[in-house]
Amino acid sequence: NAGVMQNPRHLVRRRGQEARLRCSPMKGHSHVYWYRQLPEEGLKFMVYLQKENIIDESGMPKERFSAEFPKEGPSILRIQQVVRGDSAAYFCASSPETTSNEQFFGPGTRLTVL
Amino acid sequence: RKEVEQDPGPFNVPEGATVAFNCTYSNSASQSFFWYRQDCRKEPKLLMSVYSSGNEDGRFTAQLNRASQYISLLIRDSKLSDSATYLCVVNRNTGGFKTIFGAGTRLFVKA
Repeated sequence: NAGVMQNPRHLVRRRGQEARLRCSPMKGHSHVYWYRQLPEEGLKFMVYLQKENIIDESGMPKERFSAEFPKEGPSILRIQQVVRGDSAAYFCASSPETTSNEQFFGPGTRLTVL
Repeated sequence: RKEVEQDPGPFNVPEGATVAFNCTYSNSASQSFFWYRQDCRKEPKLLMSVYSSGNEDGRFTAQLNRASQYISLLIRDSKLSDSATYLCVVNRNTGGFKTIFGAGTRLFVKA
């Protein structure tokens, strides 16, 4: 039973380019969460999605960032016109239900913006 | 004030020591609680859920005090491999579902 999968594991972009991060949840999980972790800092919640719905995006910057979780395929976190401050580790987690169920994390995508 | 607060540490302990981590949360509507462990440059991994009745898993014991809004993790007989950052995590479902991570407490276990 594969765990949460994220790709790419490492992504390098130049300022102004777009970054696309992918997350495939664990089998049977329909809830996906994205987090950002800056070096030497804690995890910050960005967005919570269910299939085809954004449930809570209160942690996501209003501009340049978007997320989706289509009916088929992985969840995508998209960052347009990246800036150096976007350099961070982006973790995806999945759970079968909300509120009381544990979240299981993928290995993360490390984004470096040159 | 942060919604979930932890002592940042670091805690430096010898092998075999008992170490306790504390965590407080400010939103009384919080519903579920967890401890995660994160190794350097790795993803967080679930260590254990936390219940009011307390739960134990080998050398690890977690406790929740809802009245005081306080969560604890006790590690007995520390091993070198316990060195990591321990994250206190709180879920709530008021004003939208939220998962809030504490900033973590770093533990170094030394031989």
